[in-house]
Amino acid sequence: GAVVSQHPSRVICKSGTSVKIECRSLDFQATTMFWYRQFPKQSLMLMATSNEGSKATYEQGVEKDKFLINHASLTLSTLTVTSAHPEDSSFYICSVRGFTEAFFGQGTRLTVV
Amino acid sequence: GDSVTQMEGPVTLSEEAFLTINCTYTATGYPSLFWYVQYPGEGLQLLLKATKADDKGSNKGFEATYRKETTSFHLEKGSVQVSDSAVYFCALSSSGGGGGNKLTFGTGTQLKVEL
Repeated sequence: GAVVSQHPSRVICKSGTSVKIECRSLDFQATTMFWYRQFPKQSLMLMATSNEGSKATYEQGVEKDKFLINHASLTLSTLTVTSAHPEDSSFYICSVRGFTEAFFGQGTRLTVV
Repeated sequence: GDSVTQMEGPVTLSEEAFLTINCTYTATGYPSLFWYVQYPGEGLQLLLKATKADDKGSNKGFEATYRKETTSFHLEKGSVQVSDSAVYFCALSSSGGGGGNKLTFGTGTQLKVEL
C-alpha cells in the first residue's frame, strides 16, 4: 500500500489564485518532508524541506513567500502556491524519508490558466 | 555540485527485448546510487540501489552495477514486459544511505513496451 498520499493529483486554477497541495505520511510519523518540482523533460528539483513545528528550509532560488509550506503535524505537510501564474504550472511531488529509502507521493499536476 | 545525466526518452521496445537505460553521475565523495520507477498515476518507487563501488543492485529482473571508474549506473533488463512501461529515474545521494539525505535526480526516461 501507499506510504505517502498526495492530493490532489491534478488541479487547474486561474491566474492570481492560490492552490494548496497536501502530502500525508500514512505509515509513520515524519518530522521532515520534502517538496520537489519537475518541469517537462527536466529533473526533479528539490524546492524545500518541510520541518514539523518549525519553518521550512528553502533551496536557493525558491521564493518562500510564493511557495508556503506548513508542517503542522507529524503526518501532514502542505504546499500552497500563492498568486499562481502560468509559469508555476508544473508537477509537484512530496517525499518522506525512511531509514534507508525515500517514499514519494504520486505527484500533483498544477496547471495555471 | 552533484548531478545525474540519463538518456533521454522515450524508449520504445517490443516485449522480451533487452533494455539498457544509461546513467552517469558527478558527485563528491562516495555517493549511493538509485533507480526509481514511476508507473502511470503513482508515486516514485525505489527499484534498486547500490551503496558502494562494484555493488550490483537488482530487483524484478532489473540490474544496475555501480561503476566508479566510469561514474555510471546503467539500468538493464534482459527481457522487458508490457508491465514495465513507466518512467525510470536515476538518482544519487552524496551522503550515502538515501534515508535522510538529499537526493539528486536525473531527468527520467520514459519506457514504453509494446506487444
